[in-house]
Amino acid sequence: GAGVSQSPSNKVTEKGKDVELRCDPISGHTALYWYRQSLGQGLEFLIYFQGNSAPDKSGLPSDRFSAERTGGSVSTLTIQRTQQEDSAVYLCASSSGQTLYNEQFFGPGTRLTVL
Amino acid sequence: AQSVTQLDSQVPVFEEAPVELRCNYSSSVSVYLFWYVQYPNQGLQLLLKYLSGSTLVKGINGFEAEFNKSQTSFHLRKPSVHISDTAEYFCAVSGSSNYKLTFGKGTLLTVNP
Repeated sequence: GAGVSQSPSNKVTEKGKDVELRCDPISGHTALYWYRQSLGQGLEFLIYFQGNSAPDKSGLPSDRFSAERTGGSVSTLTIQRTQQEDSAVYLCASSSGQTLYNEQFFGPGTRLTVL
Repeated sequence: AQSVTQLDSQVPVFEEAPVELRCNYSSSVSVYLFWYVQYPNQGLQLLLKYLSGSTLVKGINGFEAEFNKSQTSFHLRKPSVHISDTAEYFCAVSGSSNYKLTFGKGTLLTVNP
C-alpha cells in the first residue's frame, strides 16, 4: 500500500524567500508528525497533529515556522523568510493513533537548501 | 525531558562480523525505546522497539537489542552483518508524552567486503 509521501523531494531557495513543504500521510492515520534532520543536530521534533489540531508545537524553532493540516490528511509546513540555518531534511511521519504502540511511519523527506 | 546518546558516530565493520551499536538514554520517567534505520536517500524504518515485557527485543533483518534499565542502555546487535546493512541507525526514546520521539544523532554503519 501507499506510504507517507512528501513533496517536493528537493527544494533550493534563496535566503528570505518563503517555502511550503507538503506531507501526505498514510490514509486513515490520525496522527502526523514533522521532524527536521540537520547535520550536527540529528533529528529534531517540530510539531505533532492529532486530526487537524496541533497539541504540541514545542519543537518549531521560531515564529517563521508554521504548519497546518486539513481534512485530517494533508499537512503543509511553511517556512517564511528562510535563513541558511533552515537548510535540512524535513521528515514527516504518520501513525494510526496517539500512543507509540502505533508505529510512526516516515516519508522520504524534503531536502531544503537555502542559498 | 529525555535525551539519547549514541556513542559512536561511525562504525566500520567487515562483512559477516558481529556488530554492536551503542545507545544510552536519560529520562526521569518510564521510557519506550526504538531503533530506526535509514538507508541512503530513504526515510526512516523501524527496526525494533521496547515498550514493556522482555528486555531482549528482536527486530527485522536479524537485529536485536537489550534494554538495561540499570545502565540506561539499549544497545543494538547483530551477530553477522551483510553489505546491505550499510545505513545510518538512530536510537530514539519516548517518555510520558507517548508520541514525541527524541532521537540520538545517529551511527553510520559501514559494512565492508
